[in-house]
Amino acid sequence: AQSVTQLDSQVPVFEEAPVELRCNYSSSVSVYLFWYVQYPNQGLQLLLKYLSGSTLVKGINGFEAEFNKSQTSFHLRKPSVHISDTAEYFCAVSTWGNQGGKLIFGQGTELSVKP
Amino acid sequence: DVKVTQSSRYLVKRTGEKVFLECVQDMDHENMFWYRQDPGLGLRLIYFSYDVKMKEKGDIPEGYSVSREKKERFSLILESASTNQTSMYLCASSWTGKKGYTFGSGTRLTVV
Repeated sequence: AQSVTQLDSQVPVFEEAPVELRCNYSSSVSVYLFWYVQYPNQGLQLLLKYLSGSTLVKGINGFEAEFNKSQTSFHLRKPSVHISDTAEYFCAVSTWGNQGGKLIFGQGTELSVKP
Repeated sequence: DVKVTQSSRYLVKRTGEKVFLECVQDMDHENMFWYRQDPGLGLRLIYFSYDVKMKEKGDIPEGYSVSREKKERFSLILESASTNQTSMYLCASSWTGKKGYTFGSGTRLTVV
């Protein structure tokens, strides 16, 4: 079975500072990896995904993530955050060949950007 | 853009009531999902469906059932609502695992 652990439940950071949101997964088979963002009172929006190929993945709003197979990690980074990045971020995993692509989510990380 | 529409944003129901949460997608997706979201627990899968009239249990199906009579519509049913089912409910749809999901805006259900 697959599982996802987001190592920080809350990350406070000042505006224009860099940020890293950490995600580790466990799976005995190859995986697809995703990061989603949820702004207050909204549904989830896809930030970026790793399917195969280059381990550095770029997404929307200046975010990027790096897939590290040996460490089973998929950390999300942004070099300079804005107030508008305040939201909850979810890491998710799906396995290859999984019919319908059932996603398993982490517990979420609340990013709070302060002026 | 594909749209996933959940019929209600906020819902208040009484304990013991039968509750229907409706979800409709407009992009002919095969797969549809119901999650509940609770603080500190992330999203937990309740039920999912890969095809019309087909359903499979997720991680927390107890107290819930689903219906998928048409491809575009996936309903979540709380047979007898209880206060521990107070939560945010999110519907999603997808083609395949590679593309990820498209989510609805969620229904915040309060059971009193």
